[in-house]
Amino acid sequence: KQEVTQIPAALSVPEGENLVLNCSFTDSAIYNLQWFRQDPGKGLTSLLLIQSSQREQTSGRLNASLDKSSGRSTLYIAASQPGDSATYLCAVPLGGQNFVFGPGTRLSVLP
Amino acid sequence: DAGITQSPRHKVTETGTPVTLRCHQTENHRYMYWYRQDPGHGLRLIHYSYGVKDTDKGEVSDGYSVSRSKTEDFLLTLESATSSQTSVYFCAIRRTGDHNSPLHFGNGTRLTVT
Repeated sequence: KQEVTQIPAALSVPEGENLVLNCSFTDSAIYNLQWFRQDPGKGLTSLLLIQSSQREQTSGRLNASLDKSSGRSTLYIAASQPGDSATYLCAVPLGGQNFVFGPGTRLSVLP
Repeated sequence: DAGITQSPRHKVTETGTPVTLRCHQTENHRYMYWYRQDPGHGLRLIHYSYGVKDTDKGEVSDGYSVSRSKTEDFLLTLESATSSQTSVYFCAIRRTGDHNSPLHFGNGTRLTVT
């Protein structure tokens, strides 16, 4: 059974720091991994989808890496800003049309 | 924004009453999904649709039904609401059912059953 975990559960950093969020999954036979951010009271916003054949995906200050063999993905945020404060979730597809979502990392970037 | 509108955004209802939540998309995506998000359980799939009139159950479908009469609209109905259905409900869409087609979410409906 696929399980997805995210460490840490919460993170607080001063503005300007580079930071790494972690996502781990137990079954390495995944097609891809998607990263989302969720602002309070809002839905999930898709940030990056990294396919199993890719090692990295970049979008602006965000860089996601995927290591299937070790069951890990990292989301790197460069030069963090207060506007980056949100909960970040990762998700992997299961068979059929379902996905497994991690519990999220709640990020606070302090001005 | 992914062109997804959920209505209502908030609703309070009484136990035993029927409730219908609406998801409307402007992207002409084929696949639509209903999730619920609860503390300690994360996001769980209720039902999904892979085309007009084509729907299937997710992992927590008991007590819920869905309908899709048009590509752009996906309705979630709680036939007789219970307190355990108090949750935040999210609609999501995908262009195709291909594994590498990303999910996009609406802003959610917060439902309270008293």
